[in-house]
Amino acid sequence: EADIYQTPRYLVIGTGKKITLECSQTMGHDKMYWYQQDPGMELHLIHYSYGVNSTEKGDLSSESTVSRIRTEHFPLTLESARPSHTSQYLCASKKPGGGTGELFFGEGSRLTVL
Amino acid sequence: AQTVTQSQPEMSVQEAETVTLSCTYDTSESNYYLFWYKQPPSRQMILVIRQEAYKQQNATENRFSVNFQKAAKSFSLKISDSQLGDTAMYFCAFMKHEGAQKLVFGQGTRLTINP
Repeated sequence: EADIYQTPRYLVIGTGKKITLECSQTMGHDKMYWYQQDPGMELHLIHYSYGVNSTEKGDLSSESTVSRIRTEHFPLTLESARPSHTSQYLCASKKPGGGTGELFFGEGSRLTVL
Repeated sequence: AQTVTQSQPEMSVQEAETVTLSCTYDTSESNYYLFWYKQPPSRQMILVIRQEAYKQQNATENRFSVNFQKAAKSFSLKISDSQLGDTAMYFCAFMKHEGAQKLVFGQGTRLTINP
């Protein structure tokens, strides 16, 4: 079983608040990812990281930002949340090298902005 | 850019039946991975089965098997002897072998196994 953790699991906040979704993994994986899952369940990559101090935007434009100061930690921040940010956010990681290609996923953070 | 298409938004079968989920993809890459992931209701996404494009032999994991047709760019999942615990969203996904190694997902198929 993969050791990748997301907090909070559920968050309900008002418009304009700043929020940070936490993601941590204890597997020493270098690559980490954030996916946004819309109500129709489609998954879109919004950020990824190759390693410490490396972050890239994904295929879906997002107002969120990420940082990667430590290998095990990849937080996602929204400076001013809006109702359009309501979604589920999934964090994932991948071990170094090619390997099996498998991504390991956290349980997700479900964000509701009122 | 790669695209993955799952044409069956929902499927429903009786317990113990066999069900096949369809997936097609589009890529100009020659070396890549294909995956089926399972997302049970309110639970973690987990890998069901994977296939490397250079391998002609179809992957099998217990009750789960794939039909990989590289020329047709088709990658279907067969679940044999379906169980209630197989109820979940199933996502087909593509990853290039090199580079950023990002997973590109299909739209998902909601599978319900009925008792």
